Amino acid sequence: AQSVTQLGSHVSVSEGALVLLRCNYSSSVPPYLFWYVQYPNQGLQLLLKYTTGATLVKGINGFEAEFKKSETSFHLTKPSAHMSDAAEYFCAVKDSGTYKYIFGTGTRLKVLA
Amino acid sequence: DTAVSQTPKYLVTQMGNDKSIKCEQNLGHDTMYWYKQDSKKFLKIMFSYNNKELIINETVPNRFSPKSPDKAHLNLHINSLELGDSAVYFCASSQGQAGGGTQYFGPGTRLTVL
Repeated sequence: AQSVTQLGSHVSVSEGALVLLRCNYSSSVPPYLFWYVQYPNQGLQLLLKYTTGATLVKGINGFEAEFKKSETSFHLTKPSAHMSDAAEYFCAVKDSGTYKYIFGTGTRLKVLA
Repeated sequence: DTAVSQTPKYLVTQMGNDKSIKCEQNLGHDTMYWYKQDSKKFLKIMFSYNNKELIINETVPNRFSPKSPDKAHLNLHINSLELGDSAVYFCASSQGQAGGGTQYFGPGTRLTVL
């Protein structure tokens, strides 16, 4: 069965530093891949997604992620963290032909002044 | 325009009561979902409907009963509420099965069982 692993339940970075949130999936067949962000007391909002084509995907708020098939990874990055980036981030996968989205356990990003 | 809306936003009730949460989407999607998010932020899928038909029914106590009157609405009724039901419940919608369609989430309903 498909699974998603997010390494690091908590990540702290200084304002202006690089943000790197890790996500690995288990399927041998590349699934569809998503990153969502959840701000306090809100629902989840799509940051970016990979379906087909270019493996480097750009999303909102300066975030991007790279699909690496050989590493079964879809890590999320942002060159320079802003205080407003503090939130919970979820990686999710979906196999073609299914309705089910599998979510990782989330990574809480803290941005230090 | 709110894409996925849920009511109520907050629900505080006593153990043993029965309560319902309602969800509506105006995106024209054919598939809707209920998720439970616990205090550790873990998201667990509960149910999904496609065109009013139940397609995902995870291991959930039968006190939880979803109902989809049409493809734009998905409700969740909970009988005999227990302390462990306290969580945030999210509704979501998406389109289709084959593609990498985005799931859109509602704002959540925070359920507190006393």
